[in-house]
Amino acid sequence: AQTVTQSQPEMSVQEAETVTLSCTYDTSESDYYLFWYKQPPSRQMILVIRQEAYKQQNATENRFSVNFQKAAKSFSLKISDSQLGDAAMYFCAYRRDQGGSEKLVFGKGMKLTVNP
Amino acid sequence: DVKVTQSSRYLVKRTGEKVFLECVQDMDHENMFWYRQDPGLGLRLIYFSYDVKMKEKGDIPEGYSVSREKKERFSLILESASTNQTSMYLCASSFPRYLDTQYFGPGTRLTVL
Repeated sequence: AQTVTQSQPEMSVQEAETVTLSCTYDTSESDYYLFWYKQPPSRQMILVIRQEAYKQQNATENRFSVNFQKAAKSFSLKISDSQLGDAAMYFCAYRRDQGGSEKLVFGKGMKLTVNP
Repeated sequence: DVKVTQSSRYLVKRTGEKVFLECVQDMDHENMFWYRQDPGLGLRLIYFSYDVKMKEKGDIPEGYSVSREKKERFSLILESASTNQTSMYLCASSFPRYLDTQYFGPGTRLTVL
């Protein structure tokens, strides 16, 4: 079974600085998708960024980028120029590339604090 | 904007009660999901549905059942609530396309006394 590991339960960063959130996963599949979701306090979970495993280029979305290392099964999220609104729980998630299977496997999450 | 709504933000029930959690989405999504979120455990899939009247067990279905009579609505049922079902429950929906994101509701924090 696939597993997703977020080894750091909490991190903090100063406003305007850069922080990297780590995620590793275990799978025997060659094709899959990886996601980072953000859950702000008392607000809905939203997608931050996603990556297809067959793509070598790392995904970027404005201040958010990933470092996808397929051989190492690592998928870290880098947040540049951190803002107070980035404070949230962050979840890494994995999904197989198999027709009809849209189930996500989530990591345990990591709480990010942004200090002014 | 996609909207996923859940019937209650907070719910308090007694042990043994039958509990219904309702989820409605307005984007004509085929897939709908129920997760349970607990500190230190992340999100765990309870059940999901890929079509009306279709359902599949997730990782922790014991003690729960679901109902999907209409495409936009997915209900989670606790037949006889127990204290270990005190948790945050999240509903999500998505299209059945390989890269489509899941859209989440605001969650229902259920306390079983």
